[in-house]
Amino acid sequence: GAVVSQHPSWVICKSGTSVKIECRSLDFQATTMFWYRQFPKQSLMLMATSNEGSKATYEQGVEKDKFLINHASLTLSTLTVTSAHPEDSSFYICSASRTGTPNYGYTFGSGTRLTVV
Amino acid sequence: EDKVVQSPLSLVVHEGDTVTLNCSYEVTNFRSLLWYKQEKKAPTFLFMLTSSGIEKKSGRLSSILDKKELFSILNITATQTGDSAVYLCAVPRNTGGFKTIFGAGTRLFVKA
Repeated sequence: GAVVSQHPSWVICKSGTSVKIECRSLDFQATTMFWYRQFPKQSLMLMATSNEGSKATYEQGVEKDKFLINHASLTLSTLTVTSAHPEDSSFYICSASRTGTPNYGYTFGSGTRLTVV
Repeated sequence: EDKVVQSPLSLVVHEGDTVTLNCSYEVTNFRSLLWYKQEKKAPTFLFMLTSSGIEKKSGRLSSILDKKELFSILNITATQTGDSAVYLCAVPRNTGGFKTIFGAGTRLFVKA
């Protein structure tokens, strides 16, 4: 149980275009999902916390208008990188925790490697 | 400021060796500490620790938490090349939502 599906696994896009990444909890409801970014050989950096039915909470330094997060249902959150630039190239990972169990270990999606050319 | 510090940052051992990875934390509203293994893609969950002194074990891996001294260790016995990975320590922080703070990770390389 507790599977999180992230799509796509990798994407290459042109500078200036937008890319949408989906994160789905397949067998549980996720009130809260998290979006992380990871640069090579570095740890995960939290970008934003996504709550179902409300606005996402962004970490300091993360541009809200650039990284649009939508959490329309208890099983789906999306991250859209708008007007992507080469410096946005990174590994993006989502994670989710089960509703009502805040101490439960978080389940991660498989990640999306974004390359902006 | 909340932080999670792991040591060592990298480690090279030979197959069969035993390794101990360290994680210290200073996090408000502490509830649990998580260990993950990250190979090429997303991290995979290893352990969640909530109580001091109770060892969690899974095969050759084990972990324990000390809430008084604010640290945890992850032990791997009889290491194998497949154990080569980055091991991440993370502490969720309840801030009215849940924010997880990750350590920088320990990069373990097991030589054949």
